[in-house]
Amino acid sequence: RKEVEQDPGPFNVPEGATVAFNCTYSNSASQSFFWYRQDCRKEPKLLMSVYSSGNEDGRFTAQLNRASQYISLLIRDSKLSDSATYLCVVTLNDYKLSFGAGTTVTVRA
Amino acid sequence: ETGVTQTPRHLVMGMTNKKSLKCEQHLGHNAMYWYKQSAKKPLELMFVYNFKEQTENNSVPSRFSPECPNSSHLFLHLHTLQPEDSALYLCASSQLTGRTDTQYFGPGTRLTVL
Repeated sequence: RKEVEQDPGPFNVPEGATVAFNCTYSNSASQSFFWYRQDCRKEPKLLMSVYSSGNEDGRFTAQLNRASQYISLLIRDSKLSDSATYLCVVTLNDYKLSFGAGTTVTVRA
Repeated sequence: ETGVTQTPRHLVMGMTNKKSLKCEQHLGHNAMYWYKQSAKKPLELMFVYNFKEQTENNSVPSRFSPECPNSSHLFLHLHTLQPEDSALYLCASSQLTGRTDTQYFGPGTRLTVL
């Protein structure tokens, strides 16, 4: 089983729509969770950390479900500029980070 | 404007060549990383350096040899690579190797091995 699994998509959504997707992780001892965004042929950049209580940053909401071992990302009121690949990152300790292969979102006009 | 730069941006090499990738961070960070990103696959962490000391080597073949002369510079020396080593090689840095520290990535070197 992969350490971090994501639905590759693509999720094709119209502007203004809401899109949500999950990331599952295999190691129950995982400690920290993040969402990174990677634009086509660019480097990954941190989108947001994921806290146990869930957190929101503008149109983006992240949730953590430790019991079922997944994190989620929800994007409200999608913009064209939200088109990207969203990478799930899970850390086990200070040195062990695992990336998912990414979920591709395409927002169309 | 990225605080992490990488050169070259593109590299084509034969299997018998020797080349080096360079990474420089201008953020005053103490930890640096090398990642490999192949098409449709997750980023693979290759090496971690913390205060110039290598703290992680994820079973990377010896044809990849990292070097960290100081906290701002990181190299990846390549020799006798295989075609399956073709990928995007990303360098990243963070303030510390703490699990909550944000990693800042460079633009990557797209490597093609013929």
